[in-house]
Amino acid sequence: AQSVTQLGSHVSVSEGALVLLRCNYSSSVPPYLFWYVQYPNQGLQLLLKYTTGATLVKGINGFEAEFKKSETSFHLTKPSAHMSDAAEYFCAVSVPDSWGKLQFGAGTQVVVTP
Amino acid sequence: DAGVTQSPTHLIKTRGQQVTLRCSPKSGHDTVSWYQQALGQGPQFIFQYYEEEERQRGNFPDRFSGHQFPNYSSELNVNALLLGDSALYLCASSLAGGSGETQYFGPGTRLLVL
Repeated sequence: AQSVTQLGSHVSVSEGALVLLRCNYSSSVPPYLFWYVQYPNQGLQLLLKYTTGATLVKGINGFEAEFKKSETSFHLTKPSAHMSDAAEYFCAVSVPDSWGKLQFGAGTQVVVTP
Repeated sequence: DAGVTQSPTHLIKTRGQQVTLRCSPKSGHDTVSWYQQALGQGPQFIFQYYEEEERQRGNFPDRFSGHQFPNYSSELNVNALLLGDSALYLCASSLAGGSGETQYFGPGTRLLVL
């Protein structure tokens, strides 16, 4: 079975500062990894995903993440935070032959201060 | 192109009642997954439907059941509601086949059980 751990349930960042959200996974087989964002009272929107190939993945809204197999990590970063980045972020994992069943982390709430 | 839609947006029920939630997938998608998101937690996989059959199921009791129609829309039914069933119920659609396929989420139905 696979699992996801997101370090830090709440992160506060200043506008213009680096955003770093940590995600570690556990999987016995090569995983597929996803980051989703959830704005208040809305569903989840895909930011980016890693399946195969290049380990540095670029997504929407200036976010990127790097798959590090040796560290079993898939941390999300954005060089400069905007007020509009305030939301909850979820890391998720699936594995081959699971038909896309997603296992989510508990989420990280991001607050952006002026 | 309409994305994933869900109805109703909000619902209030009392313990012991039954509820039906509905989902229309993104155009062209044939697979529908349902997730339960309790307050302050990440989404938990309930089950997935493909070709009108339940293809896989998460760790949820038989009180949770579903259906997929020939037009790929889906229903989630919950019988004998418990207080603990209060949550945001998310529907996600995708294309069949690969675990790396992106799942597109609807805005959810917020269920409150009193």
